Amino acid sequence: GAVVSQHPSRVICKSGTSVKIECRSLDFQATTMFWYRQFPKQSLMLMATSNEGSKATYEQGVEKDKFLINHASLTLSTLTVTSAHPEDSSFYICSATRLDRDTEAFFGQGTRLTVV
Amino acid sequence: GIQVEQSPPDLILQEGANSTLRCNFSDSVNNLQWFHQNPWGQLINLFYIPSGTKQNGRLSATTVATERYSLLYISSSQTTDSGVYFCAVAYLRAGGTSYGKLTFGQGTILTVHP
Repeated sequence: GAVVSQHPSRVICKSGTSVKIECRSLDFQATTMFWYRQFPKQSLMLMATSNEGSKATYEQGVEKDKFLINHASLTLSTLTVTSAHPEDSSFYICSATRLDRDTEAFFGQGTRLTVV
Repeated sequence: GIQVEQSPPDLILQEGANSTLRCNFSDSVNNLQWFHQNPWGQLINLFYIPSGTKQNGRLSATTVATERYSLLYISSSQTTDSGVYFCAVAYLRAGGTSYGKLTFGQGTILTVHP
């Protein structure tokens, strides 16, 4: 199989605080993970590409300092939303491709972030 | 960048009906995937199909890469088929690193009534 686990599934935080979201590949190694954002009734938009052992690559318009990405191992990438504001409230979802077969992408369950 | 268009945007069916969802893309692709997003937001992989035809139970998909479109067929629809269906593609340009970097279409919202 190819299971990607994301944690937490829901989080509510206060404005100005930081929130960390974890994305783990449970039964495979992933050299590359991706972070997407989805607003209500909209499609998924790629935020950044997370590469193990190197800096993340951010899409145009995504603030690097607000969305910190760390990919410390072949099975874990983290997204930290820093100094969160209500407009950061959204559904964040990660995906990963297998190290041994970089074709099909597999997605985590997603994290619904609400900033109050 | 590559453009992905899905049609129809909304589809309402009676249980038991068949349907076809379409995905057009503007450039050559190395990866094409169909997903079903359930009410909790999770994306369920339906097909990895950059070309050719695949079938899985009541669902099948065909991608004609040379004509830049893909079709998802749902037969004998059930209420549990309701949700949003996304087509997503990836293409590698010079310097690209992964076929998993996906561009999503806007989705088709499917509602199946009992």
